[in-house]
Amino acid sequence: DAGITQSPRHKVTETGTPVTLRCHQTENHRYMYWYRQDPGHGLRLIHYSYGVKDTDKGEVSDGYSVSRSKTEDFLLTLESATSSQTSVYFCASGTSGSYEQYFGPGTRLTVT
Amino acid sequence: KQEVTQIPAALSVPEGENLVLNCSFTDSAIYNLQWFRQDPGKGLTSLLLIQSSQREQTSGRLNASLDKSSGRSTLYIAASQPGDSATYLCAVTSLNTGNQFYFGTGTSLTVIP
Repeated sequence: DAGITQSPRHKVTETGTPVTLRCHQTENHRYMYWYRQDPGHGLRLIHYSYGVKDTDKGEVSDGYSVSRSKTEDFLLTLESATSSQTSVYFCASGTSGSYEQYFGPGTRLTVT
Repeated sequence: KQEVTQIPAALSVPEGENLVLNCSFTDSAIYNLQWFRQDPGKGLTSLLLIQSSQREQTSGRLNASLDKSSGRSTLYIAASQPGDSATYLCAVTSLNTGNQFYFGTGTSLTVIP
């Protein structure tokens, strides 16, 4: 599997505070993705990137922003965390052509 | 929007049994379909990727098939083992949405020793 790490792995934060999650991949994959996983909803795409500084919105992008300044790093920012953003967040990277995706271990975020 | 459904939500089988997991999708204009397994508290592990031009893919005891016309994919697991216990997820990309994957909610598999 691709070398994908996420940090932090667990975080508890208060409503209204900004939060940044980091994803780092060592496979030189062009594509990177942020998902959230919630019971009953499965995985839903938040944002994705198709190259350095090239990003686009996914299905559930409201309240989130992303940045990609280097091929290997993809940051997800919750601008002002809300309780509805309590979730497990997964990062993935993917190859060109087939778009096969490889996932990181996840970050469990709790907003109190 | 692509809708992906996996039925049943949970499945329990005795060790050694062959089994089939189902995935259905609403938009047949797919680019590819990928099967994953997820262990509790862990990330997703890629099992098999089927391109839209392919009918099946095999890896060890796993075989995934794709029927675009009926909007279905199946994951066949031969000679199941307790270590196969996990949640299995399928995800599809549509030609209309490029590389955006849409996931089903998964089938939780328990293999009883």
